[in-house]
Amino acid sequence: AQRVTQPEKLLSVFKGAPVELKCNYSYSGSPELFWYVQYSRQRLQLLLRHISRESIKGFTADLNKGETSFHLKKPFAQEEDSAMYYCALRGYGGATNKLIFGTGTLLAVQP
Amino acid sequence: DAGITQSPRHKVTETGTPVTLRCHQTENHRYMYWYRQDPGHGLRLIHYSYGVKDTDKGEVSDGYSVSRSKTEDFLLTLESATSSQTSVYFCAISLEDTEAFFGQGTRLTVV
Repeated sequence: AQRVTQPEKLLSVFKGAPVELKCNYSYSGSPELFWYVQYSRQRLQLLLRHISRESIKGFTADLNKGETSFHLKKPFAQEEDSAMYYCALRGYGGATNKLIFGTGTLLAVQP
Repeated sequence: DAGITQSPRHKVTETGTPVTLRCHQTENHRYMYWYRQDPGHGLRLIHYSYGVKDTDKGEVSDGYSVSRSKTEDFLLTLESATSSQTSVYFCAISLEDTEAFFGQGTRLTVV
């Protein structure tokens, strides 16, 4: 079964501090992992995906298959990073392409 | 933004009435998804579609049905609305190997 776990509902940090949003997954096959961000009153948008290995807005995430984790990191938080962050998993390959999300972590960056 | 439109954007309905939400896309994407977003639960998959007339249940499908008679439209029906179905509903679309693109959401209130 597919499962995504985000253990923190809220993460509050000060501007300039490092950020790490945790994501663990459960999937028997080869998954594809994503991070999505939702700013206040806006639609969800992709932040990054593990296969592209890009750094977006200073955020990075590395897929650790041994620990089944895909934590999101940023070395220096900015106030504009305040948003809801969702980790998502899609079973790679197959016809159904089921995409599930974690419960989300609200990041609050204090001035 | 991807060509994806949800209607209506807001709806208030009475308990026991049927409600249909529409997701319309102009991108010819094969996969379409319906999620509900609730505080503390994140995004939960209700139903998804992997082609015309091909649909499957997600995590929270009880009380919901879907139909996809053509590529561009994916309808979500609440057969008999209950207060527990008060939520924000999001539609998403994707191709086989792309990220999912989200609609703006429908805020549904069942009174």
